[in-house]
Amino acid sequence: EAQVTQNPRYLITVTGKKLTVTCSQNMNHEYMSWYRQDPGLGLRQIYYSMNVEVTDKGDVPEGYKVSRKEKRNFPLILESPSPNQTSLYFCASRRPQGAGTGELFFGEGSRLTVL
Amino acid sequence: LAKTTQPISMDSYEGQEVNITCSHNNIATNDYITWYQQFPSQGPRFIIQGYKTKVTNEVASLFIPADRKSSTLSLPRVSLSDTAVYYCLADFSGGYNKLIFGAGTRLAVHP
Repeated sequence: EAQVTQNPRYLITVTGKKLTVTCSQNMNHEYMSWYRQDPGLGLRQIYYSMNVEVTDKGDVPEGYKVSRKEKRNFPLILESPSPNQTSLYFCASRRPQGAGTGELFFGEGSRLTVL
Repeated sequence: LAKTTQPISMDSYEGQEVNITCSHNNIATNDYITWYQQFPSQGPRFIIQGYKTKVTNEVASLFIPADRKSSTLSLPRVSLSDTAVYYCLADFSGGYNKLIFGAGTRLAVHP
């Protein structure tokens, strides 16, 4: 089954304790991206990657890091989480194709709480 | 990057047609208008995409006028299960790009 898998789905942590949210896709997609969703603000892009070893900042990259060492994985790293990073996070991927842009496939989401 | 503007919320009743308009005044030549649907606690799901005129699929229609400064998502005969948040975005052709989703439109369908 084609899917984007995120882990963990739920996490409660404390300020300053490094954490990683993993994202894996089994569709051989070149493009992957991370979003955070907060009430009233919709989806905001954190980082995106056009292919292995190619990443770029989205709208709200501060406080986050990413890496793309393999095509299927795109982990989101919070080196020193703070309470304002409490949010619902989504990973997505797509294969850009011909005319148009290709459909984004989203993961189930990871709800992170930083105390 | 083209920023989009949508109504924050809309209400409708089962069986009615719902039209959600999105404004994108500074859309670029290579941008496609794309709509996603999101249910609570789920990731967004692609609905429809278009460049100009009209596009129709099994769930929705998308109308884009010649100047492309706005677009309208049309949902025919909505049901309770269409209650969701709908996002409009300008998506650069090719698909390797930064994306701006915005706050979306919260559609509530009532019995």
